[in-house]
Amino acid sequence: KAGVTQTPRYLIKTRGQQVTLSCSPISGHRSVSWYQQTPGQGLQFLFEYFSETQRNKGNFPGRFSGRQFSNSRSEMNVSTLELGDSALYLCASSLGRGRAVNEQFFGPGTRLTVL
Amino acid sequence: GDSVTQMEGPVTLSEEAFLTINCTYTATGYPSLFWYVQYPGEGLQLLLKATKADDKGSNKGFEATYRKETTSFHLEKGSVQVSDSAVYFCALSDNDYKLSFGAGTTVTVRA
Repeated sequence: KAGVTQTPRYLIKTRGQQVTLSCSPISGHRSVSWYQQTPGQGLQFLFEYFSETQRNKGNFPGRFSGRQFSNSRSEMNVSTLELGDSALYLCASSLGRGRAVNEQFFGPGTRLTVL
Repeated sequence: GDSVTQMEGPVTLSEEAFLTINCTYTATGYPSLFWYVQYPGEGLQLLLKATKADDKGSNKGFEATYRKETTSFHLEKGSVQVSDSAVYFCALSDNDYKLSFGAGTTVTVRA
């Protein structure tokens, strides 16, 4: 079974630009979560989607948004980029329900650098 | 809110030494507990999990027991190898569709 894939793996943007990151979950998984990882703040939860519905959202400004498509693929968007948005963005997928609802499998991440 | 506290690193060990990484948590409900490992330049890999009190998770020689009375989930391995060098994260999920992570512990194993 293929794992979670994220594209692109690396991005360099300048302040004020916007960026879209993509995530394809493990086949059969209907939940996709996004996390931001930085040296200072560690791993922070952004949002989670299940069957195209956002079920939970972390404490991030409205510049961070996401969506999920009917095939469970997900995108997250960051508008008006700031230097502090430089981070590794990790996507995780899970079945999203039942006993394994909390068991999440991570992709390799997208490294975003904002200049 | 939910939180996880794990011992700060870095931890440096010799090959075949015993490894313990302490992890304690605060949660309002009955969370599931996890250990994830991150190798350089990679995402997180699920190492082991426990979903209820007294459960023991184990994988690749690593073990951790869910202790509700002490709100702990300490990670142990009896004999580490150089290939175990990585960053280890303790995490919990309280049925709110998200993981809350500890700060991570960097482990370096020397040959």
